[in-house]
Amino acid sequence: GAGVSQTPSNKVTEKGKYVELRCDPISGHTALYWYRQSLGQGPEFLIYFQGTGAADDSGLPNDRFFAVRPEGSVSTLKIQRTERGDSAVYLCASSLTRRDTQYFGPGTRLTVL
Amino acid sequence: TQLLEQSPQFLSIQEGENLTVYCNSSSVFSSLQWYRQEPGEGPVLLVTVVTGGEVKKLKRLTFQFGDARKDSSLHITAAQPGDTGLYLCAGYQASNDYKLSFGAGTTVTVRA
Repeated sequence: GAGVSQTPSNKVTEKGKYVELRCDPISGHTALYWYRQSLGQGPEFLIYFQGTGAADDSGLPNDRFFAVRPEGSVSTLKIQRTERGDSAVYLCASSLTRRDTQYFGPGTRLTVL
Repeated sequence: TQLLEQSPQFLSIQEGENLTVYCNSSSVFSSLQWYRQEPGEGPVLLVTVVTGGEVKKLKRLTFQFGDARKDSSLHITAAQPGDTGLYLCAGYQASNDYKLSFGAGTTVTVRA
């Protein structure tokens, strides 16, 4: 079956611009997660959704980052006023429930010039 | 600062040799997982260990969870070029059973 998909696969933007990154989880998965992976590092937790609500957004670096999941399926990570330090691979994962295996998408590589 | 420290950071070996990757922490984890990540892809789960002292084998890969549930190791026997990749350990703490904490990863290169 289809896995987690993320679009775009690559995004290049200029400092100060706004970007949106999209995640399509596996159908039926109620839990959705965003992670950020900087060069040479492992993924770092950003936010966890259970259904439509953000159950834990403690990993979001600051208020320039925001994520939504309005219908409990697709999620969008939004970054305002991008900075060069935001450059990283943004990974999305989903799981059937919060205690189940997380399946990761291929990520979106964000480059802020 | 990552809760899990992996060593070594890089490992390059000849085909047929054995290798071990270590994952250590000062914190206790309710479970630890090992992932493999290829360039341009997301991490793929290899194994989950739950019980202190547990050993799991997956073909030529052997995974061990420390008795105190603070550390783990991945051992590959007779490595093959297809084993090349980034190996990540990750764990759940009891207080956050949904939030994975990852190590920085070990890049393994197996030369033919």
